[in-house]
Amino acid sequence: EAGVAQSPRYKIIEKRQSVAFWCNPISGHATLYWYQQILGQGPKLLIQFQNNGVVDDSQLPKDRFSAERLKGVDSTLKIQPAKLEDSAVYLCASSLTDRGPYEQYFGPGTRLTVT
Amino acid sequence: GENVEQHPSTLSVQEGDSAVIKCTYSDSASNYFPWYKQELGKGPQLIIDIRSNVGEKKDQRIAVTLNKTAKHFSLHITETQPEDSAVYFCAAIWSGGSNYKLTFGKGTLLTVNP
Repeated sequence: EAGVAQSPRYKIIEKRQSVAFWCNPISGHATLYWYQQILGQGPKLLIQFQNNGVVDDSQLPKDRFSAERLKGVDSTLKIQPAKLEDSAVYLCASSLTDRGPYEQYFGPGTRLTVT
Repeated sequence: GENVEQHPSTLSVQEGDSAVIKCTYSDSASNYFPWYKQELGKGPQLIIDIRSNVGEKKDQRIAVTLNKTAKHFSLHITETQPEDSAVYFCAAIWSGGSNYKLTFGKGTLLTVNP
């Protein structure tokens, strides 16, 4: 079974530029999550989708971050404009159950560096 | 919301020794506690989990214990091997109304010396 795919793996941009990350979850997984992992910390949830609807985006900085999940499969996360503090690894995860975030499977992440 | 504290932040052991990582959580309503292993340049990998109706769970060399009264849970790795070297994260489910949120600890860097 293929795992969660993410691209690109690395991205370097200057502050105030925009960037987009892509995620393809495990086939059949209804729930998709985007996390931000700052160096030396655990992942922090940014947004959770159930199929193509948003379940929780309470920790997403909506003035600069946006995300969508078209047709309930792939998802993109966008930052516009980027700030220095957005430097982090952005992880995508998916889970099978629609009753809560149990047994989440993570992709390899996208390491973003904002200069 | 939920708060998860994890200790120690770094742990160094000799190959063959045991390693123990401890976590505490704040929300007594939390009912699911997974552990993740993250190797350099990779995403976290689920290695074991435990639900609140179980006190202990074992899978080969790894085990997790849960004390709901004290609100703490621990990861035990026996007969450690160099390939066990990684960052380990504990996490807890927090239910905020109708939604469920996975909250992670800050991680433990485990180094197994050959």
